[in-house]
Amino acid sequence: NAGVTQTPKFRVLKTGQSMTLLCAQDMNHEYMYWYRQDPGMGLRLIHYSVGEGTTAKGEVPDGYNVSRLKKQNFLLGLESAAPSQTSVYFCASTSPLRQGPETQYFGPGTRLLVL
Amino acid sequence: DAKTTQPPSMDCAEGRAANLPCNHSTISGNEYVYWYRQIHSQGPQYIIHGLKNNETNEMASLIITEDRKSSTLILPHATLRDTAVYYCIVRPYAGGTSYGKLTFGQGTILTVHP
Repeated sequence: NAGVTQTPKFRVLKTGQSMTLLCAQDMNHEYMYWYRQDPGMGLRLIHYSVGEGTTAKGEVPDGYNVSRLKKQNFLLGLESAAPSQTSVYFCASTSPLRQGPETQYFGPGTRLLVL
Repeated sequence: DAKTTQPPSMDCAEGRAANLPCNHSTISGNEYVYWYRQIHSQGPQYIIHGLKNNETNEMASLIITEDRKSSTLILPHATLRDTAVYYCIVRPYAGGTSYGKLTFGQGTILTVHP
């Protein structure tokens, strides 16, 4: 049981390049999330998904696209990377309970540097 | 979601209890108090949550005031490995339209000293 995994762990891009970050979870969770964290700041929600084939915008969605073609995977795409997208990206997953709250499980993060 | 206020940093001696406060004066009746921590830029880790009553698990205790406007996370015997950023988050349970989204503030940097 690996939990939440993220690929790659680290990447350097040039401005204008594109890339896809992959998040995978093996806990059969319904909900998945992408956050970014800038130095000295808390995490901010980029996009999230409440089920296979559905996605929604979070707090800071501009410049990113996402897809959830399979329940266990959530992809984050940067079509044209900008230096402002230099950050650490965290994926998380959870499932709603009929009563009461649940906890989010986070991946180890992907460190992205855009030059 | 309710806004939370935490001190930016705290220190604690190893082996002593660490008491981390959080103010959430605008909390609604259906909102829970969650605590997460982030150790050295790793992914955040869930610690504990509560609604009204005090809660305890193997990691920590959560004390929520009767009016629910503030809470305290207690690490009973802090170790060096507890040095981390601690986030207090208030939100409804994920079964509603909040869909489990978390809003992180800047948290409290807890430094445990030998």
